[in-house]
Amino acid sequence: GAVVSQHPSRVICKSGTSVKIECRSLDFQATTMFWYRQFPKQSLMLMATSNEGSKATYEQGVEKDKFLINHASLTLSTLTVTSAHPEDSSFYICSARDRSGGLYEQYFGPGTRLTVT
Amino acid sequence: AQSVTQPDIHITVSEGASLELRCNYSYGATPYLFWYVQSPGQGLQLLLKYFSGDTLVQGIKGFEAEFKRSQSSFNLRKPSVHWSDAAEYFCAVARDSNYQLIWGAGTKLIIKP
Repeated sequence: GAVVSQHPSRVICKSGTSVKIECRSLDFQATTMFWYRQFPKQSLMLMATSNEGSKATYEQGVEKDKFLINHASLTLSTLTVTSAHPEDSSFYICSARDRSGGLYEQYFGPGTRLTVT
Repeated sequence: AQSVTQPDIHITVSEGASLELRCNYSYGATPYLFWYVQSPGQGLQLLLKYFSGDTLVQGIKGFEAEFKRSQSSFNLRKPSVHWSDAAEYFCAVARDSNYQLIWGAGTKLIIKP
């Protein structure tokens, strides 16, 4: 089946620094990737949708200058949390849509736990 | 606006017992509905989905769900749970404008030995 990886799985950084999270589709080409944020005991919140080769579309209320998304190839998307603050601590999940699959099919990465101290 | 409600934050079931996780949605037309499972250290995995047709949908790992339009529900069921089923379960409905998913808050399933 389709596999999506994320790296790192956990990261701790100091307030004010930037952190990059990678999302890779390992055995398929992903024209679209999604980035979610999940708070403890809560559901997934869609942050942005990125299409390969174009700018990401951010959901209302998500700061695009703070959460930089790059989808440079059909197998890689990155999320950079710039000038991180403790309130950015969360679980970040990416998903990818297989270009040959259905429009509703998404494959999810295992997530990245970000802790900002 | 579309929305999904999972009324149970957590459910505890004895191993071998039957399971039903509730999901209610708000949507004007025929919804596209999904159930996902999230286990620690693993990505969300699709259990099953409903697009149209037979209202009883079979999924992986012995799960099934029934779409009931009159009740705006899409409850997940399993006749006999295993300890490995302990996880977080999410119901979702597709937003028709851009095929993205709207998620319920999730239900944590705890299995008693």
